[in-house]
Amino acid sequence: GESVGLHLPTLSVQEGDNSIINCAYSNSASDYFIWYKQESGKGPQFIIDIRSNMDKRQGQRVTVLLNKTVKHLSLQIAATQPGDSAVYFCAENIGGYSTLTFGKGTMLLVSP
Amino acid sequence: DGGITQSPKYLFRKEGQNVTLSCEQNLNHDAMYWYRQDPGQGLRLIYYSQIVNDFQKGDIAEGYSVSREKKESFPLTVTSAQKNPTAFYLCASSNPGTGPYEQYFGPGTRLTVT
Repeated sequence: GESVGLHLPTLSVQEGDNSIINCAYSNSASDYFIWYKQESGKGPQFIIDIRSNMDKRQGQRVTVLLNKTVKHLSLQIAATQPGDSAVYFCAENIGGYSTLTFGKGTMLLVSP
Repeated sequence: DGGITQSPKYLFRKEGQNVTLSCEQNLNHDAMYWYRQDPGQGLRLIYYSQIVNDFQKGDIAEGYSVSREKKESFPLTVTSAQKNPTAFYLCASSNPGTGPYEQYFGPGTRLTVT
């Protein structure tokens, strides 16, 4: 079937490398951010989130960095594995609203 | 197991027919959402509902309709007025009242209209 990743920016890495996926957001009023992972043909899965009062948050093998000055978000994946191959989306939320605004996504390809 | 179910996984329809996509959640979440995803695109919000018997249009509501008669269920109808209905449809839920606003997603329904 059609791939959700068609025409997306793609990052290709070798297994064991560290990966950095970037996201620019547009609304300076956004105060909560999420990274999602979407495997082919499946729904997005939560990876990690961060509030605007933080500039860094770490999870298991993942770190999210937030630079509010330039409205930039990044997801770092340590020791990337073939199972990390997927499309990664950032999403932003403006305080007081229940909706999220999603970026277009980046496809991560990990070769063994 | 708690989660969101969408059925069916694949759906085929002829042009001109209305079709309803199912979304059920047992997470006891107040809010539910429908998104459309096209290749190379992010998720675009169709409709959302923050409480039973209430819903709001998202960015691309034209050609779609929803109902929220029960907290657990938020079906989406793709009408014949939707010009390009073939897409991957995702349902999500959250508890925005307590924040943060993380949304949990179902597995999606791929709709093909010919």
